[in-house]
Amino acid sequence: AQTVTQSQPEMSVQEAETVTLSCTYDTSESNYYLFWYKQPPSRQMILVIRQEAYKQQNATENRFSVNFQKAAKSFSLKISDSQLGDTAMYFCAFMTLTGNQFYFGTGTSLTVIP
Amino acid sequence: KAGVTQTPRYLIKTRGQQVTLSCSPISGHRSVSWYQQTPGQGLQFLFEYFSETQRNKGNFPGRFSGRQFSNSRSEMNVSTLELGDSALYLCASSLVQGFDEQYFGPGTRLTVT
Repeated sequence: AQTVTQSQPEMSVQEAETVTLSCTYDTSESNYYLFWYKQPPSRQMILVIRQEAYKQQNATENRFSVNFQKAAKSFSLKISDSQLGDTAMYFCAFMTLTGNQFYFGTGTSLTVIP
Repeated sequence: KAGVTQTPRYLIKTRGQQVTLSCSPISGHRSVSWYQQTPGQGLQFLFEYFSETQRNKGNFPGRFSGRQFSNSRSEMNVSTLELGDSALYLCASSLVQGFDEQYFGPGTRLTVT
């Protein structure tokens, strides 16, 4: 069975600083997708970034980038130049290609401090 | 283009009752997935519908069921409600089958008393 672990329940960062959220996963599959989702308070969940396991290059979306270490089964999210609007719950997620299952981590609550 | 809509947004039910939640996907999207979000269990996948057929199913009891209509709108039904069913139920739509590029709705907050 696949598992997704986010070991940091809560984090905070000063505005304009950089923060890294951790995620590890466990799978025996070789091909899969990884995602980071953001759920702002009382707002809808949105996709932040995705990474295909077969790609060695780390995905980047503006201020958001990932550090994907396939051998270590690690998928961390780096947020640069943090903004107040980045305050949200962040979920790491894993998708299998064979079983068509989707697994979320327990989330990290990030607070950006002005 | 309108986003994913879910109705109702809030619902209060009593143990033993049943409930039906509705999800309208983004126009053109044919896949709808449902998730349960609770403080204790986090986000858990319930099931996915594509072209009116259930394609994938998570590990939930048979009290949880769903269906999808020809216009891709989906309903989720929970029968014989238990206190532990209190949760935020999220649906997400995507263009094709599978979970890639999912767009989430605002959720339905179900409280079981």
